[in-house]
Amino acid sequence: DVKVTQSSRYLVKRTGEKVFLECVQDMDHENMFWYRQDPGLGLRLIYFSYDVKMKEKGDIPEGYSVSREKKERFSLILESASTNQTSMYLCASSHRQRRQPQHFGDGTRLSIL
Amino acid sequence: EDQVTQSPEALRLQEGESSSLNCSYTVSGLRGLFWYRQDPGKGPEFLFTLYSAGEEKEKERLKATLTKKESFLHITAPKPEDSATYLCAVLITGNQFYFGTGTSLTVIP
Repeated sequence: DVKVTQSSRYLVKRTGEKVFLECVQDMDHENMFWYRQDPGLGLRLIYFSYDVKMKEKGDIPEGYSVSREKKERFSLILESASTNQTSMYLCASSHRQRRQPQHFGDGTRLSIL
Repeated sequence: EDQVTQSPEALRLQEGESSSLNCSYTVSGLRGLFWYRQDPGKGPEFLFTLYSAGEEKEKERLKATLTKKESFLHITAPKPEDSATYLCAVLITGNQFYFGTGTSLTVIP
């Protein structure tokens, strides 16, 4: 079974802090994604990566950055956390060439106070 | 513009009352359509992949079907444990995914 593991289920941080969310997948997937999910807005793509050290902006990249130093690990960074970044963050991965679905982690519920 | 729309937004069913959820899409170059189940506070869990019009997939009380414009998730004789949000997503040429906003299903005992 595909396993996507996010480092924290719940996280509470303060405004202005630098926040790191970590994601690891064990299926040798090339593609990795970060989404945020808010009530009524669905899943919104923040950043994605098709390969190591490669990144592409999604629909809402402002205030975020990412790092992919190894194929299995994709990190999301909130450079200076703000209250409007309180949300559920979901990491996903998929194969690049095959017509297969994304597989998701269990999410990190992040609260910025 | 590529778009995925799910309806209804919310659905309440009595236990045993069968129904269908709809996912309509307007995209070019469909490569696959995926259904997910999401429980509160958890990530989406993959259910089905459909690749071409006419294809059907089944799993327990769920059956997914696909036409050229839409997909249906049929739920037969649902139970309370089927309560969840059901998401659909499409994969199009260029490896882009588009997600719908989901249908929240509540099954009442």
